[in-house]
Amino acid sequence: EVQLVESGGGLVQPGGSLRVSCAASGFTFSSHWMSWVRQAPGRVLEWVADIKPDGSEKTYVDSVKGRFTISRDNAKNSMSLQMNSLRAEDTAVYYCARVMSGGFWDAWGLGTLVTVSS
Amino acid sequence: DIVMTQSPDSLAVSLGERATINCKSSQTVLYSSNNKNYLAWYQQKPGQPPKLLIYWASTRESGVPDRFSGSGSETDFTLTISSLQAEDVAVYYCLQYYVTPRTFGQGTKVELK
Repeated sequence: EVQLVESGGGLVQPGGSLRVSCAASGFTFSSHWMSWVRQAPGRVLEWVADIKPDGSEKTYVDSVKGRFTISRDNAKNSMSLQMNSLRAEDTAVYYCARVMSGGFWDAWGLGTLVTVSS
Repeated sequence: DIVMTQSPDSLAVSLGERATINCKSSQTVLYSSNNKNYLAWYQQKPGQPPKLLIYWASTRESGVPDRFSGSGSETDFTLTISSLQAEDVAVYYCLQYYVTPRTFGQGTKVELK
């Protein structure tokens, strides 16, 4: 069974940093692109970042470029999102998701809540 | 960016009745070289992550009941629930994965009448 488990969310002040992680199991992690997708409270889903299976290619939504960094460790079946210079508008549930051939997501974690507030 | 617009924003349907949700993209999501529409549908219940229902506009994900069906091409798509069940109360989102950034519709809330 495919499982994705996020961790690391919490309350952080504007301008601060936070790292969220995703532990994957039940599939060949090293074969899949992976993504972070977020959802602000009561708002629409928003793709945040992608990482290629070998970690050599990363893409980001414009609003987080230069502030967020996606990474992965295939030996540990894990992925992370380092978030710096956080803003109130980054407040959201952050989901880890598996990318299928073509680009859609077929498996999601339960999410971890990041709250940016003073 | 491709803008995805769903209609209606919400609808109330009686048990056993049909629910129809529309999704319109601001540009085509049909890739001519493989004749595939890069369009998916998700269901999200409160406190849960999205669940994949349909991809390639009309391919049902494994385990999804056959009362859910997707149709459409290029810029206009529809998700149909043929006979609404109580467990189908949720918010439904369309997603285009034709280009980066992938973008979602604003969601359609389906409730029981």
